[in-house]
Amino acid sequence: AQTVTQSQPEMSVQEAETVTLSCTYDTSESDYYLFWYKQPPSRQMILVIRQEAYKQQNATENRFSVNFQKAAKSFSLKISDSQLGDAAMYFCASETGGSYIPTFGRGTSLIVHP
Amino acid sequence: DVKVTQSSRYLVKRTGEKVFLECVQDMDHENMFWYRQDPGLGLRLIYFSYDVKMKEKGDIPEGYSVSREKKERFSLILESASTNQTSMYLCASSQTGLAGPSSYEQYFGPGTRLTVT
Repeated sequence: AQTVTQSQPEMSVQEAETVTLSCTYDTSESDYYLFWYKQPPSRQMILVIRQEAYKQQNATENRFSVNFQKAAKSFSLKISDSQLGDAAMYFCASETGGSYIPTFGRGTSLIVHP
Repeated sequence: DVKVTQSSRYLVKRTGEKVFLECVQDMDHENMFWYRQDPGLGLRLIYFSYDVKMKEKGDIPEGYSVSREKKERFSLILESASTNQTSMYLCASSQTGLAGPSSYEQYFGPGTRLTVT
């Protein structure tokens, strides 16, 4: 069974600053995928970024990037130039290839101060 | 644009009532999921379905059942609602890649906040 751990229940950042959200996972599979999802207050959860485990290059989506450390089983999310709209719950998830069933962490609440 | 809709945003029911939560997706996705979201516990999988009339138990199926009679619709049923089922319920869908990647993102509905009194 997979486990995903987000050790930071809450994080805060000043607008325009950079923040990193931590995530560690545990899997015995070689084919797996990692995701960060964002759930804004009272709005639908959406995908932020995705990483295929077989790819060494860290995924990047505009201001969002990941630090994927495969040996350490770490998958942190870096948000650069934080904006007020980044305030949300962020969930890390891992998924074995072919299962189509992700395992989610408990989430990190990000507060952005103006 | 993928759209996943849920029948209610807020629902208040009494203990012992039978409760139906409906979810509809419009992207012809094979997979559909029901999660329960509670503060500090993240998302926990209740049931999922790979295809019409197919269902598999997730991590916390007790007290719940599901129905998938059509590909686009996945219903969650609380046979006899109890106060410990007060929670946020999220529906999600995803596609299955027969010739492509072995993983696809999930698309979520807006959630139903259920209160059982």
